[in-house]
Amino acid sequence: GENVEQHPSTLSVQEGDSAVIKCTYSDSASNYFPWYKQELGKRPQLIIDIRSNVGEKKDQRIAVTLNKTAKHFSLHITETQPEDSAVYFCAASIRGGGNKLTFGTGTQLKVEL
Amino acid sequence: DAGVTQSPTHLIKTRGQQVTLRCSPKSGHDTVSWYQQALGQGPQFIFQYYEEEERQRGNFPDRFSGHQFPNYSSELNVNALLLGDSALYLCASSLSTSPSQYFGPGTRLTVL
Repeated sequence: GENVEQHPSTLSVQEGDSAVIKCTYSDSASNYFPWYKQELGKRPQLIIDIRSNVGEKKDQRIAVTLNKTAKHFSLHITETQPEDSAVYFCAASIRGGGNKLTFGTGTQLKVEL
Repeated sequence: DAGVTQSPTHLIKTRGQQVTLRCSPKSGHDTVSWYQQALGQGPQFIFQYYEEEERQRGNFPDRFSGHQFPNYSSELNVNALLLGDSALYLCASSLSTSPSQYFGPGTRLTVL
């Protein structure tokens, strides 16, 4: 089955700096890659997603890039703010016949003042 | 427009008991997926329901079962509870025509 690895497990940045979180997946059939933000005690919140026919997608301060050949995708957050502090999860799924999401192990992002 | 809701919020059970968790999907959504999230880990897929049938299942034992009702709401049942079943149980809803899944607030299950 699909396996998703995520790095780093913790990331500390200064406010205003950029943050990058990387994930790799094992199943070349995977074609949908969402990112979720989970604050302590809250539900995972879908913040951005990308499909395999697109190499990059941007939404204000966040962007996701996908390299299908290398089977990896990354989340980029620019101009980080304290409210960006949370755990971020990447996931992968194979579209069609169900959308089972396989999640990475999460990255604890801390934005320091 | 109501988002995904789950009940109860918290639940405490003892080993061997049975539990039922409930989920109402986002308005207009027809597919419900269930995930188990242990402390400090990513969610693990349990199963997905569409058109009142289990469409896909993860690596969970038969003690975990579910149901989807005609109004698209869903239940997750766990029999013969084990200490290791203690976790946050998340429901996610989606449209069958879209891969995007939206999570509910979860039910925190503690097994003593």
